[in-house]
Amino acid sequence: SQTIHQWPATLVQPVGSPLSLECTVEGTSNPNLYWYRQAAGRGLQLLFYSVGIGQISSEVPQNLSASRPQDRQFILSSKKLLLSDSGFYLCAWSQPHRFSGNTIYFGEGSWLTVV
Amino acid sequence: AQSVTQLDSQVPVFEEAPVELRCNYSSSVSVYLFWYVQYPNQGLQLLLKYLSGSTLVKGINGFEAEFNKSQTSFHLRKPSVHISDTAEYFCAAANSGGSNYKLTFGKGTLLTVNP
Repeated sequence: SQTIHQWPATLVQPVGSPLSLECTVEGTSNPNLYWYRQAAGRGLQLLFYSVGIGQISSEVPQNLSASRPQDRQFILSSKKLLLSDSGFYLCAWSQPHRFSGNTIYFGEGSWLTVV
Repeated sequence: AQSVTQLDSQVPVFEEAPVELRCNYSSSVSVYLFWYVQYPNQGLQLLLKYLSGSTLVKGINGFEAEFNKSQTSFHLRKPSVHISDTAEYFCAAANSGGSNYKLTFGKGTLLTVNP
Protein backbone atom coordinates (compact mmCIF):
# COMPACT_ATOMS: atom_id res chain seq x y z
CA SER A 1 0.00 0.00 0.00
CA GLN A 2 1.02 3.59 -0.53
CA THR A 3 2.00 5.93 2.28
CA ILE A 4 2.97 9.55 2.49
CA HIS A 5 5.21 11.02 5.15
CA GLN A 6 5.63 14.71 5.84
CA TRP A 7 7.90 16.42 8.37
CA PRO A 8 8.36 18.25 10.59
CA ALA A 9 4.84 18.25 12.01
CA THR A 10 5.32 21.55 13.79
CA LEU A 11 7.80 24.33 13.18
CA VAL A 12 8.32 27.75 14.75
CA GLN A 13 10.70 29.95 12.80
CA PRO A 14 11.76 33.61 13.09
CA VAL A 15 11.09 36.05 10.29
CA GLY A 16 13.90 36.01 7.76
CA SER A 17 15.01 32.46 8.53
CA PRO A 18 15.04 29.66 5.91
CA LEU A 19 12.47 26.89 5.61
CA SER A 20 12.56 23.30 4.50
CA LEU A 21 9.55 20.99 4.66
CA GLU A 22 10.03 17.49 3.32
CA CYS A 23 7.63 14.91 1.98
CA THR A 24 8.16 11.37 0.72
CA VAL A 25 5.78 8.89 -0.82
CA GLU A 26 6.23 5.15 -0.64
CA GLY A 27 4.65 2.29 -2.52
CA THR A 28 4.18 3.97 -5.90
CA SER A 29 6.29 5.22 -8.78
CA ASN A 30 6.31 8.55 -10.59
CA PRO A 31 3.43 10.04 -8.61
CA ASN A 32 2.08 13.51 -9.15
CA LEU A 33 3.10 15.54 -6.09
CA TYR A 34 1.51 18.63 -4.62
CA TRP A 35 2.07 21.26 -1.93
CA TYR A 36 -1.02 22.98 -0.54
CA ARG A 37 -1.37 25.71 2.08
CA GLN A 38 -4.41 25.94 4.29
CA ALA A 39 -5.42 29.16 6.01
CA ALA A 40 -8.37 29.35 8.38
CA GLY A 41 -11.62 30.02 6.55
CA ARG A 42 -9.92 30.09 3.17
CA GLY A 43 -9.84 26.46 2.17
CA LEU A 44 -6.86 24.93 0.44
CA GLN A 45 -4.59 26.78 -1.93
CA LEU A 46 -2.44 24.83 -4.36
CA LEU A 47 1.12 26.16 -4.21
CA PHE A 48 3.11 23.77 -6.41
CA TYR A 49 2.65 20.55 -8.28
CA SER A 50 5.08 18.21 -9.98
CA VAL A 51 4.63 15.48 -12.58
CA GLY A 52 8.24 14.26 -12.50
CA ILE A 53 11.77 14.80 -11.22
CA GLY A 54 12.81 18.41 -11.68
CA GLN A 55 9.41 19.38 -13.12
CA ILE A 56 7.76 21.96 -10.89
CA SER A 57 4.78 24.17 -11.64
CA SER A 58 4.01 27.14 -9.44
CA GLU A 59 0.44 28.19 -8.99
CA VAL A 60 0.82 31.32 -6.93
CA PRO A 61 3.65 33.89 -6.95
CA GLN A 62 5.13 33.90 -3.49
CA ASN A 63 8.09 33.66 -1.20
CA LEU A 64 8.28 29.88 -1.47
CA SER A 65 9.85 27.39 -3.86
CA ALA A 66 9.61 23.64 -4.37
CA SER A 67 11.99 20.98 -5.60
CA ARG A 68 11.75 17.33 -6.51
CA PRO A 69 15.24 15.87 -6.30
CA GLN A 70 14.04 12.26 -6.38
CA ASP A 71 10.99 10.53 -7.82
CA ARG A 72 9.11 10.30 -4.54
CA GLN A 73 10.55 13.25 -2.65
CA PHE A 74 9.08 16.74 -2.65
CA ILE A 75 10.56 19.66 -0.73
CA LEU A 76 9.07 23.06 0.07
CA SER A 77 11.59 25.79 0.79
CA SER A 78 12.07 29.44 1.49
CA LYS A 79 15.24 31.48 1.79
CA LYS A 80 13.67 34.11 4.05
CA LEU A 81 10.35 33.54 5.79
CA LEU A 82 7.69 36.21 6.10
CA LEU A 83 5.01 36.46 8.76
CA SER A 84 2.44 35.80 6.04
CA ASP A 85 4.01 32.38 5.38
CA SER A 86 2.48 31.04 8.60
CA GLY A 87 -0.06 28.32 8.04
CA PHE A 88 -0.77 24.63 7.68
CA TYR A 89 1.09 23.03 4.79
CA LEU A 90 -0.06 19.81 3.22
CA CYS A 91 1.86 17.55 0.90
CA ALA A 92 -0.19 15.27 -1.35
CA TRP A 93 0.16 12.77 -4.17
CA SER A 94 -1.94 11.18 -6.90
CA GLN A 95 -1.42 8.46 -9.48
CA PRO A 96 0.85 9.37 -12.39
CA HIS A 97 -1.85 9.92 -14.97
CA ARG A 98 -3.31 13.07 -16.43
CA PHE A 99 -6.74 12.08 -15.21
CA SER A 100 -8.46 14.68 -13.12
CA GLY A 101 -10.71 12.09 -11.48
CA ASN A 102 -7.80 10.56 -9.60
CA THR A 103 -7.99 10.76 -5.84
CA ILE A 104 -5.46 13.06 -4.17
CA TYR A 105 -3.97 11.58 -1.01
CA PHE A 106 -2.79 13.96 1.68
CA GLY A 107 -0.09 13.82 4.30
CA GLU A 108 -0.67 14.74 7.91
CA GLY A 109 0.40 18.33 7.43
CA SER A 110 2.98 20.69 8.92
CA TRP A 111 2.13 23.64 11.11
CA LEU A 112 4.44 26.58 10.42
CA THR A 113 4.43 29.59 12.69
CA VAL A 114 6.64 32.49 11.72
CA VAL A 115 7.40 34.79 14.65
CA ALA B 1 -12.08 28.66 -14.55
CA GLN B 2 -14.21 26.80 -12.09
CA SER B 3 -15.24 27.72 -8.57
CA VAL B 4 -16.68 25.81 -5.64
CA THR B 5 -18.96 27.38 -3.06
CA GLN B 6 -19.80 25.78 0.25
CA LEU B 7 -22.84 27.62 1.44
CA ASP B 8 -22.37 27.09 5.17
CA SER B 9 -19.13 27.74 7.01
CA GLN B 10 -20.43 26.03 10.17
CA VAL B 11 -23.16 23.46 10.76
CA PRO B 12 -23.98 22.45 14.34
CA VAL B 13 -26.20 19.40 14.83
CA PHE B 14 -27.16 17.01 17.58
CA GLU B 15 -26.02 13.42 17.64
CA GLU B 16 -28.22 11.03 15.62
CA ALA B 17 -29.78 13.90 13.66
CA PRO B 18 -29.54 14.00 9.86
CA VAL B 19 -27.22 16.48 8.21
CA GLU B 20 -26.74 18.03 4.78
CA LEU B 21 -23.65 20.00 3.81
CA ARG B 22 -24.22 22.07 0.72
CA CYS B 23 -21.87 22.54 -2.21
CA ASN B 24 -22.36 24.35 -5.49
CA TYR B 25 -19.91 24.57 -8.34
CA SER B 26 -19.56 26.61 -11.47
CA SER B 27 -17.69 25.51 -14.54
CA SER B 28 -17.85 25.97 -18.28
CA VAL B 29 -16.94 22.32 -18.80
CA SER B 30 -18.02 19.08 -17.19
CA VAL B 31 -16.43 18.33 -13.85
CA TYR B 32 -15.55 15.60 -11.44
CA LEU B 33 -16.65 16.27 -7.88
CA PHE B 34 -15.20 15.23 -4.53
CA TRP B 35 -15.86 15.48 -0.82
CA TYR B 36 -12.96 15.33 1.61
CA VAL B 37 -12.99 15.27 5.41
CA GLN B 38 -10.36 16.74 7.69
CA TYR B 39 -10.20 15.80 11.36
CA PRO B 40 -8.46 18.28 13.70
CA ASN B 41 -4.77 18.73 12.98
CA GLN B 42 -4.76 16.06 10.30
CA GLY B 43 -4.59 15.87 6.55
CA LEU B 44 -7.59 15.40 4.29
CA GLN B 45 -9.20 12.06 3.55
CA LEU B 46 -11.47 11.27 0.61
CA LEU B 47 -15.10 10.58 1.56
CA LEU B 48 -16.48 10.04 -1.92
CA LYS B 49 -16.28 11.24 -5.50
CA TYR B 50 -18.47 11.52 -8.56
CA LEU B 51 -16.96 10.76 -11.94
CA SER B 52 -19.89 9.51 -14.03
CA GLY B 53 -22.87 7.18 -13.91
CA SER B 54 -25.32 7.15 -11.02
CA THR B 55 -25.82 10.59 -9.58
CA LEU B 56 -26.08 9.19 -6.05
CA VAL B 57 -22.66 8.39 -4.71
CA LYS B 58 -22.04 6.46 -1.53
CA GLY B 59 -18.87 6.97 0.46
CA ILE B 60 -17.21 5.95 3.66
CA ASN B 61 -18.61 6.38 7.17
CA GLY B 62 -22.23 6.32 5.95
CA PHE B 63 -22.02 9.52 3.88
CA GLU B 64 -23.57 9.96 0.47
CA ALA B 65 -23.82 12.79 -2.03
CA GLU B 66 -26.02 13.54 -5.00
CA PHE B 67 -24.84 15.17 -8.18
CA ASN B 68 -27.43 17.54 -9.63
CA LYS B 69 -26.28 18.90 -12.97
CA SER B 70 -29.19 21.28 -13.47
CA GLN B 71 -28.61 22.90 -10.10
CA THR B 72 -24.82 22.52 -10.29
CA SER B 73 -24.83 21.05 -6.81
CA PHE B 74 -23.17 18.18 -5.00
CA HIS B 75 -24.62 18.14 -1.49
CA LEU B 76 -23.31 15.75 1.14
CA ARG B 77 -25.74 13.93 3.44
CA LYS B 78 -25.79 11.53 6.34
CA PRO B 79 -29.03 10.25 7.89
CA SER B 80 -27.69 9.99 11.43
CA VAL B 81 -24.48 11.60 12.62
CA HIS B 82 -22.13 10.59 15.42
CA ILE B 83 -19.90 12.62 17.67
CA SER B 84 -16.96 11.25 15.72
CA ASP B 85 -18.22 12.96 12.55
CA THR B 86 -17.15 16.30 13.98
CA ALA B 87 -14.67 17.59 11.42
CA GLU B 88 -14.23 20.02 8.55
CA TYR B 89 -15.62 18.95 5.20
CA PHE B 90 -14.35 20.19 1.86
CA CYS B 91 -16.05 20.00 -1.49
CA ALA B 92 -13.78 20.05 -4.53
CA ALA B 93 -14.03 20.00 -8.32
CA ALA B 94 -11.73 19.18 -11.21
CA ASN B 95 -12.27 19.66 -14.93
CA SER B 96 -13.03 16.35 -16.59
CA GLY B 97 -11.19 17.32 -19.76
CA GLY B 98 -8.14 15.40 -18.69
CA SER B 99 -5.51 18.07 -19.10
CA ASN B 100 -6.11 19.73 -15.77
CA TYR B 101 -5.78 17.44 -12.82
CA LYS B 102 -5.77 20.12 -10.19
CA LEU B 103 -8.57 20.33 -7.68
CA THR B 104 -10.40 23.53 -6.80
CA PHE B 105 -11.53 23.40 -3.19
CA GLY B 106 -14.34 25.15 -1.40
CA LYS B 107 -13.60 26.99 1.82
CA GLY B 108 -14.88 24.18 3.98
CA THR B 109 -17.80 23.52 6.32
CA LEU B 110 -17.14 22.81 9.97
CA LEU B 111 -19.56 20.15 11.17
CA THR B 112 -19.94 20.05 14.94
CA VAL B 113 -21.95 17.17 16.39
CA ASN B 114 -23.19 17.82 19.90
CA PRO B 115 -24.37 15.19 22.40
